[in-house]
Amino acid sequence: ELKVEQNPLFLSMQEGKNYTIYCNYSTTSDRLYWYRQDPGKSLESLFVLLSNGAVKQEGRLMASLDTKARLSTLHITAAVHDLSATYFCAVDIGGSEKLVFGKGTKLTVNP
Amino acid sequence: DGGITQSPKYLFRKEGQNVTLSCEQNLNHDAMYWYRQDPGQGLRLIYYSQIVNDFQKGDIAEGYSVSREKKESFPLTVTSAQKNPTAFYLCASSTWTSGTYEQYFGPGTRLTVT
Repeated sequence: ELKVEQNPLFLSMQEGKNYTIYCNYSTTSDRLYWYRQDPGKSLESLFVLLSNGAVKQEGRLMASLDTKARLSTLHITAAVHDLSATYFCAVDIGGSEKLVFGKGTKLTVNP
Repeated sequence: DGGITQSPKYLFRKEGQNVTLSCEQNLNHDAMYWYRQDPGQGLRLIYYSQIVNDFQKGDIAEGYSVSREKKESFPLTVTSAQKNPTAFYLCASSTWTSGTYEQYFGPGTRLTVT
């Protein structure tokens, strides 16, 4: 059974600081997804990582994938208040169209 | 304007009643999914359908039922057998594009059962 673990689950940081969210998964997979969820809202796709060593960046967020370590990271650079949200990683069950989600990391960026 | 719609946004029901949540997509996606989200939790898969007239149970299918009579529609019925139905329900769809089955989500339905 594929398990996906995120840490930390809660993250409070100051504006301007850097931090990394980690996503570990238990079985082989080559596709990993990062989503953002604002309170009471749906999920918005941030990044799709499709191969070992993949790195994608959008604004202050950068995601990477190490399939050998079964680890993805979401790095936040110089955080701003607008980044406050819950971030989920999801891993697909190889060969299927199903995703397994982590529990999410609730990020709060304080002025 | 392509997308996924869910209705209603909020739904209130009395315990013991069945309730049906609507999900429609005009993205021409083959696959559709239903997830449940509880506070502080990730998403858990209830049912999914890869093609019309076919669907599979996810991790928490007990107390739920679905149908897929049309490609664009995948309604979810929460039956009275579901012991704790109050939750946020999200519908998603996907298709194979650029090496991925990236899923796109609807706005969600918040169900409260009292």
